[in-house]
Amino acid sequence: QVQLQESDPGLVKPSETLSLTCTVSGGSISSSRYYWGWIRQPPGKGLEWIGSIYYSGSTYYNPSLKSRVTISVDTSKTQFSLRLSSVTAADTAVYYCAREVDMASMPYFDSWGQGTLVTVSS
Amino acid sequence: SSELTQDPAVSVALGQTVKITCQGDSLRTYYASWYQQKPGQAPVLVIYGTNNRPSGIPDRFSGSSSGKTASLTITGAQAEDEADYFCNARDSTGNQALFGGGTQLTVL
Repeated sequence: QVQLQESDPGLVKPSETLSLTCTVSGGSISSSRYYWGWIRQPPGKGLEWIGSIYYSGSTYYNPSLKSRVTISVDTSKTQFSLRLSSVTAADTAVYYCAREVDMASMPYFDSWGQGTLVTVSS
Repeated sequence: SSELTQDPAVSVALGQTVKITCQGDSLRTYYASWYQQKPGQAPVLVIYGTNNRPSGIPDRFSGSSSGKTASLTITGAQAEDEADYFCNARDSTGNQALFGGGTQLTVL
């Protein structure tokens, strides 16, 4: 059973860069079946997909965040990471990492980390 | 299209059947998946590929699709089904994952 665990940056100051890492255990991050994604949820609101990465490094991002987002993968450490630059209070959210099953016309997120609350505040 | 639309809230009497819907142009091309989220917890996949249940999900959960509308049906709703439900699919280009705004289900 694959497990995902986000790191815990806690508090980030406005205009700085938010950095998160997701550690994958119990499964291969290098499988061709999966993408690895980041999703966030502001307090009391819905889910917003941020972006996903393939083990080869191929990425796709939410157009609304693309200018500020970088997702990378380190297969040797079975980790993938998120960097979100120039953060504001609007980036305060619970950030989830998740495994995305890459299946043609029916991709879906089958495993999720527990989530980590990132607060942007001075 | 880059939007999936859900009703914000739905209620159902205990033991009755409820349908939660998700609308979007991309649902003509991509199958929807559905997630259940309880307060303070991560989302859990309950339906994928329109009507496939992961292991451990009760068979009272089912999905369907017609045109640009996907639906999640709970047949014989239980108190523990009270939660937020989100639909998910790709946009029409296939290059962006979308989530619906979520439906808060109340079991009366």
